[in-house]
Amino acid sequence: KAGVTQTPRYLIKTRGQQVTLSCSPISGHRSVSWYQQTPGQGLQFLFEYFSETQRNKGNFPGRFSGRQFSNSRSEMNVSTLELGDSALYLCASSLEKRNNEQFFGPGTRLTVL
Amino acid sequence: AQSVTQPDIHITVSEGASLELRCNYSYGATPYLFWYVQSPGQGLQLLLKYFSGDTLVQGIKGFEAEFKRSQSSFNLRKPSVHWSDAAEYFCAVGPYSGGGADGLTFGKGTHLIIQP
Repeated sequence: KAGVTQTPRYLIKTRGQQVTLSCSPISGHRSVSWYQQTPGQGLQFLFEYFSETQRNKGNFPGRFSGRQFSNSRSEMNVSTLELGDSALYLCASSLEKRNNEQFFGPGTRLTVL
Repeated sequence: AQSVTQPDIHITVSEGASLELRCNYSYGATPYLFWYVQSPGQGLQLLLKYFSGDTLVQGIKGFEAEFKRSQSSFNLRKPSVHWSDAAEYFCAVGPYSGGGADGLTFGKGTHLIIQP
């Protein structure tokens, strides 16, 4: 069974632009969570989607948004990019939210110049 | 709110020696606890998890961890490390089910260096 895939693996953007990252969960997994990883703040929870609904959200500004499609694939969008948004963005999927065992993808490395 | 503390930012261990990585958590109920490993440029791989039951849990790659409620700890151990164990290790707790933000809460990580 294929693991969690994320595209693209690397992105370079400039301040003020917007970016969309994609995540395909493990087949059969309906919950998708997103995390931001930076050297200073570590791993921080962004939001979680289940059955196309955002059910939980971390402490991030509204510039960070996401959605989930009927096939459980998910996208996250960051608008008006700031230098501090440079990070590794990790997607994780699980069978159901309360299962808690999350499987992580390799991440998308976003660099904002 | 829940929190996870990994007191050791870096640990250096000789190959073949034993390893213990410390993790302390703060949580309002019975926690779900995890250890993940991250190699450079990679995502996170689950080593082991604790939900309930036996407080000594076995994981992949020869790792084990012991849940001690009285000490709010979930330390990771391995009897003999291999050079391939060099990586970043993260302890995590959650998700919190009492409302508010959800998702795993991670410690800052421990960078493991293996000396030949």
